[in-house]
Amino acid sequence: EPEVTQTPSHQVTQMGQEVILRCVPISNHLYFYWYRQILGQKVEFLVSFYNNEISEKSEIFDDQFSVERPDGSNFTLKIRSTKLEDSAMYFCASSRQPNEKLFFGSGTQLSVL
Amino acid sequence: AQSVTQLGSHVSVSEGALVLLRCNYSSSVPPYLFWYVQYPNQGLQLLLKYTTGATLVKGINGFEAEFKKSETSFHLTKPSAHMSDAAEYFCAVSVSGGYNKLIFGAGTRLAVHP
Repeated sequence: EPEVTQTPSHQVTQMGQEVILRCVPISNHLYFYWYRQILGQKVEFLVSFYNNEISEKSEIFDDQFSVERPDGSNFTLKIRSTKLEDSAMYFCASSRQPNEKLFFGSGTQLSVL
Repeated sequence: AQSVTQLGSHVSVSEGALVLLRCNYSSSVPPYLFWYVQYPNQGLQLLLKYTTGATLVKGINGFEAEFKKSETSFHLTKPSAHMSDAAEYFCAVSVSGGYNKLIFGAGTRLAVHP
């Protein structure tokens, strides 16, 4: 089965630093998403992206966050100035259509010190 | 607003025993409901989904779930647990009626012992 790949699997950063989490969605997929899971809490929707635009975002996705599809294959999540509370597992997902199956990556564990 | 409650953060069963993972939802519109499984160091994998039609849905690896509107439940079951079923299981409801923006429960970690 095709896979969504995420790099790195673990990222450690200092508070206030910028981080970029990278994802390679499945090649023929058009809809892209970021979710996150803070340790011990629920998986939460962050943002959806289609046609080079954000189609929907949650309250969590404030001005510190941005997403980009810099080329035909990568989909990135940037956190401009990380805070301790940004420490979480970040999942990328993609789907061919909005009403089709979501494929999730294995996640990037972000630790902000 | 939609929400999902999973009863029991940890469930332990013997190999060969019935698996029952509970999920209750709240939704003001007809829900789309999902169960995802996460094995160690892997992403979330769709087990099964309910959209419309038959209320008993079958998924991969012998799992099934029944949508009960009157009870607002979508419990996950498997008649006979296998060691390889040990994982974390997430129930989710779709906000938009599609598959993309999901509201997840807190997850249930299933342990299977010999």
